[in-house]
Amino acid sequence: QKEVEQNSGPLSVPEGAIASLNCTYSDRGSQSFFWYRQYSGKSPELIMFIYSNGDKEDGRFTAQLNKASQYVSLLIRDSQPSDSATYLCAVNGYNYGQNFVFGPGTRLSVLP
Amino acid sequence: EPEVTQTPSHQVTQMGQEVILRCVPISNHLYFYWYRQILGQKVEFLVSFYNNEISEKSEIFDDQFSVERPDGSNFTLKIRSTKLEDSAMYFCASEASAKNIQYFGAGTRLSVL
Repeated sequence: QKEVEQNSGPLSVPEGAIASLNCTYSDRGSQSFFWYRQYSGKSPELIMFIYSNGDKEDGRFTAQLNKASQYVSLLIRDSQPSDSATYLCAVNGYNYGQNFVFGPGTRLSVLP
Repeated sequence: EPEVTQTPSHQVTQMGQEVILRCVPISNHLYFYWYRQILGQKVEFLVSFYNNEISEKSEIFDDQFSVERPDGSNFTLKIRSTKLEDSAMYFCASEASAKNIQYFGAGTRLSVL
């Protein structure tokens, strides 16, 4: 049974701070890692994906992957109130056409 | 920007009735998925579809569920006899070949009364 774990939160940070979201996964064969943002009542929206160990930066977002520790994280710099949402970690294998296994999500609240 | 389109946005039905949820994936995408999310819970995989057949399905996807791609654009999820516990958001996703990135539609909220 493939499992993806996240702290459910809520994680509260002040506006302008760095928000750090964490995710662990059980399947060592996982190769592809995704962060989605989900506003209440809305669909998941892709923020970032990462395939290789290390850091990947895109604007205010940085994804970090450590396959040896089976750990992936998302850092949000200069957090804005509009970043307040639930962040979903999703994992799948290397091949195309494989379903995602989602974590339960971490609710982030950015306080003005 | 191309997007996955789902209809209806909200479907209300009586227990035991059949429902069909519709999705139009992004054109030229080859892999299609249905996921569901019960209120307050995580997104769960239901079924994947490629080359006009089911690739993989979860234990949730029992005999009451079926999927079809009746033409070149639509991708449907049918629930034959709905149960109260089928109430959830249902998301369709599509994936291009060689990209391994899934794009989600806005979802259909199914309410079974």
